[in-house]
Amino acid sequence: KNEVEQSPQNLTAQEGEFITINCSYSVGISALHWLQQHPGGGIVSLFMLSSGKKKHGRLIATINIQEKHSSLHITASHPRDSAVYICAGLNSGGSNYKLTFGKGTLLTVNP
Amino acid sequence: NAGVMQNPRHLVRRRGQEARLRCSPMKGHSHVYWYRQLPEEGLKFMVYLQKENIIDESGMPKERFSAEFPKEGPSILRIQQVVRGDSAAYFCASSPTGTYIQYFGAGTRLSVL
Repeated sequence: KNEVEQSPQNLTAQEGEFITINCSYSVGISALHWLQQHPGGGIVSLFMLSSGKKKHGRLIATINIQEKHSSLHITASHPRDSAVYICAGLNSGGSNYKLTFGKGTLLTVNP
Repeated sequence: NAGVMQNPRHLVRRRGQEARLRCSPMKGHSHVYWYRQLPEEGLKFMVYLQKENIIDESGMPKERFSAEFPKEGPSILRIQQVVRGDSAAYFCASSPTGTYIQYFGAGTRLSVL
């Protein structure tokens, strides 16, 4: 059974701090989505990566295939970054369209 | 280029009624996925469809739930005889042929009274 574990579950930071959210996944996952969901809101796809590192503005995502671990970093955090961040693994093999979701990390950035 | 469009955003139904949730994929996308997010729980896969075909419905409850993606028009997730436990956010995502990068809609929040 494919699994995705996120940590921490909750994270509170002061504006300007550097944020890291971690995601570990099991064998059978070939790539990872990082998603953002504002309370009561829709889901925005931030990154999909299967190797290396991607950067978009203040967001950086990295993945280590050998260790089966990915991190999402936010530099110079801002209150508008407050949201739930979800890591989702893309299955490898026959059902390679299916996403397995982590439980999410609730980030609160205080001004 | 409009994103994935879901409607309605909020839907209120009484127990026993039918709920119909619509999803228009991004232009050029022929793959649609439905996910359910129960209160205080993570997202769960329900069904994967291509035009006129259900590819994988392994996440769909066995009764009362059905999905379609016709040749013309949006994908529809239909829930018959709704119960309180069906109250959740239902998200649709789409992807183009050749990649499984999924783009999500804003979701439909179903409340069953």
